[in-house]
Formats: sequence, C-alpha cells, structure tokens
Amino acid sequence: AQTVTQSQPEMSVQEAETVTLSCTYDTSESNYYLFWYKQPPSRQMILVIRQEAYKQQNATENRFSVNFQKAAKSFSLKISDSQLGDTAMYFCAYTGNQFYFGTGTSLTVIP
Amino acid sequence: NAGVTQTPKFQVLKTGQSMTLQCAQDMNHNSMYWYRQDPGMGLRLIYYSASEGTTDKGEVPNGYNVSRLNKREFSLRLESAAPSQTSVYFCASSKNRANYGYTFGSGTRLTVV
Repeated sequence: AQTVTQSQPEMSVQEAETVTLSCTYDTSESNYYLFWYKQPPSRQMILVIRQEAYKQQNATENRFSVNFQKAAKSFSLKISDSQLGDTAMYFCAYTGNQFYFGTGTSLTVIP
Repeated sequence: NAGVTQTPKFQVLKTGQSMTLQCAQDMNHNSMYWYRQDPGMGLRLIYYSASEGTTDKGEVPNGYNVSRLNKREFSLRLESAAPSQTSVYFCASSKNRANYGYTFGSGTRLTVV
C-alpha cells in the first residue's frame, strides 16, 4: 500500500518565483523521518532536505524549506527564488520501520 | 571520495538470463538498499541490509536475491530475468536505517528483451 502521496505529477514556475510541492503520508508510527530528494535529468538522486518527526520546527536549507504539519500528515517543500537548475523530479520519502517514496513531481523552471 | 559505486550503468538481457548488479560504498555506512524506479511509480524498495550480515525484503522482492558480502558491498541478483524487471535500479547506503537520508549510486538502466 502506498504510504506517501504526491498529488502533483507536474508543475512549472517562472524563474525567481516561489513554488510549493505537496506531499502527504500515512503512518501509525510516532518516530519517523521525512525527506525530499531531487533527481535532475542526470538521474542522480540528491538529498534536498530532512525533517525529524519529533521536531516541530520546520527544516530549512538555503532556498529550500518545508511546511511540516504532523497532525495532518503533510510535508510540503517550498522552493524560493527558483533557478533553472531546480528543474528536476522531486520525490518525497518516508523512513520509519518501513521505507517509502512518493511517485514524484516533475518541476520545470521557465526562464 | 567515491560515495556509492554501482556497476554496470547499462545492461540489456534476454529473458531468462541471469546477472548480478554490484554496489560498493566507501563511507563506512551500516545500511544498504536496492531500489527500482519505474515511470509513475517512484522508487520501490527491493531489499535492504540494515547491517552487515542481515538482509530483509522490501516492497517488491520477488524475482531478486541479495548478498551483503561485507560492510562495503551489497549485490543484487536476477536469477531468471523477465521483461517486468526492465527498470532503473539504484543502490543506496545510509549511516543507520536511512534516518539521515540516503546516499545513492548513479543507477543501472536494465532492459530485459
């Protein structure tokens, strides 16, 4: 059963604008970790950001930040000041007693 | 600093042939994983090894076997390849159970004809 859901198969954003990618998950565990990974056309998977479920503070890495809503089981990724190099597939991932990835969101940054 | 090294990068097999995908990491990570990536399905876990000497099934283990040869190496074997196993395969490693995220290899594109 799919535990991680990304409901936006494709998105686009103008260069320098802000975009938010959505992710929801389903779990009965109390201790788990959530991640966003980026996969550019090169196929290499790159860790973007990590969130520990027991921390209420939202994680931030430079232009990337998350909105973690534990009660709603939501974990969205915000990309600020979008750059052409942000064009990629983005995967939401869950790690607890099991390991799951979402189906991905293809993001295109338009010049 | 090589990270996670996968070989080969590309492979074409005929139905029924066997092959082994090799993976090695040089980061002293305890845990290693094999995923497959198919269009529209994201990444799905085939097998993982939480530590040297242990292996466990993931979401889609049928048709595959694994060997954790030592702390560095984790191989994936297809005994009798089927067209349904056409996919991109990723090896990954993590310090402990992926709590700090994975380091991925560059992937193997496998086509079974």
